[in-house]
Amino acid sequence: DTGVSQDPRHKITKRGQNVTFRCDPISEHNRLYWYRQTLGQGPEFLTYFQNEAQLEKSRLLSDRFSAERPKGSFSTLEIQRTEQGDSAMYLCASSLAGHYYEQYFGPGTRLTVT
Amino acid sequence: DAKTTQPPSMDCAEGRAANLPCNHSTISGNEYVYWYRQIHSQGPQYIIHGLKNNETNEMASLIITEDRKSSTLILPHATLRDTAVYYCIVRVGQRGGSQGNLIFGKGTKLSVKP
Repeated sequence: DTGVSQDPRHKITKRGQNVTFRCDPISEHNRLYWYRQTLGQGPEFLTYFQNEAQLEKSRLLSDRFSAERPKGSFSTLEIQRTEQGDSAMYLCASSLAGHYYEQYFGPGTRLTVT
Repeated sequence: DAKTTQPPSMDCAEGRAANLPCNHSTISGNEYVYWYRQIHSQGPQYIIHGLKNNETNEMASLIITEDRKSSTLILPHATLRDTAVYYCIVRVGQRGGSQGNLIFGKGTKLSVKP
């Protein structure tokens, strides 16, 4: 399967703990996006990378959130000092140069903060 | 970017055409209409996009009115697997420029019934 993959698929953590998610995009895609989705809502944009450069960050991305894409391939999203409000589905997507709104999404990581 | 309005839910009989409307009355000349869908517990899936001409691919057809203020996504022979939330999104250009994020609303929940 050459689609977007995310790991883990599910994560349960206690409030105050740090968590890290990984996304592997489609190999020839140079853009990678992170979104967050809560129950009953559409996905909300968090941040995106073009190759290894982080080009845009949403106001939703508080100081406790950090994302990296060190070699322009896979990306990680870390949440420090998790709060119950961070419970959501975290979605990763990638797109090909010149077709930036044709995004291919992974299955998501569901985070539950207890 | 132009805002979109979609009905919250629709039903369709299996084997019949599903016609999903979207209103984007404030769309500007360089904004494209994109459609995505999200099947339960999966990431969103790109379906189709267009500027002013009607478009068709293996998944669906997109009909954009001449004044571009509304569009309709047509699934010609809906199956139970087409049950999903369908999102209509308007974005400037195809290449994304300095913007890369998709802005999802609440979409239309399509239920295909046997």
